[in-house]
Amino acid sequence: EDQVTQSPEALRLQEGESSSLNCSYTVSGLRGLFWYRQDPGKGPEFLFTLYSAGEEKEKERLKATLTKKESFLHITAPKPEDSATYLCAVQPDRGSTLGRLYFGRGTQLTVWP
Amino acid sequence: NAGVTQTPKFQVLKTGQSMTLQCAQDMNHNSMYWYRQDPGMGLRLIYYSASEGTTDKGEVPNGYNVSRLNKREFSLRLESAAPSQTSVYFCATSLRLGDGYTFGSGTRLTVV
Repeated sequence: EDQVTQSPEALRLQEGESSSLNCSYTVSGLRGLFWYRQDPGKGPEFLFTLYSAGEEKEKERLKATLTKKESFLHITAPKPEDSATYLCAVQPDRGSTLGRLYFGRGTQLTVWP
Repeated sequence: NAGVTQTPKFQVLKTGQSMTLQCAQDMNHNSMYWYRQDPGMGLRLIYYSASEGTTDKGEVPNGYNVSRLNKREFSLRLESAAPSQTSVYFCATSLRLGDGYTFGSGTRLTVV
C-alpha cells in the first residue's frame, strides 16, 4: 500500500534558524513528488514537483530535494511569514492509481520573531 | 481571475439531510478532484474526473456522489449526511491527470 509519512508533525523555529522537513514514502513506482503549503482556513498552494532522485528545486527560502525513499524541504533563514503547514504528496506511476496524489499529514511550521 | 471557486464556504447539516457542494474553475483544466481533510488524517481523495464526461472513485467514496456537469464544474453530493462526514472539503483541478493541482479554498461542513 502506498504511504507517505511526514516528520516532524510540528516544528517551531526562531526567525533565521534554518531546518529541514522530511517526507518519506513507499510507492510501487513514483511519477512525481509534490510539496504544498497550506495556511489556516485556506486550500493548499502548490510549491514544487520533483520527478527523479537527485533533483532539486528552489523558491525563495525553500529548497526541495528528492532521493529514492524520501524528500526534504529545506528552509533557510525562515521568516514569520513562512509559518504554515507543509504537505507532501506522491503520485504513483502505474495502475488504477495513476494520476492520483497521496498526501502525508503535514508538518506544521511556526517561525517566531 | 478566480481560479477554483467552491460554494458554500460553510454549511451545517442535520443527520440525514442532503446537500451538494459546488466547484467551478476558469483555468480550462481537464481534470478535477474532490478531497476531504480531517485532523490527523491528511487529505483523502473522494472522487475525481480525469476529463469531461468521466468520473472515478477515490479512496473514500462511500456516502458521496459526483457529477461532472461540464468542463468547468464538478459537484459533490451527500445524499444522507452523517456525522462522520463532518470535514473540510476541497476541490482541486489540474491541466491533465497527473499534473500539479490547484485547490479551492474549501467548504467547512458540520453534520450534527
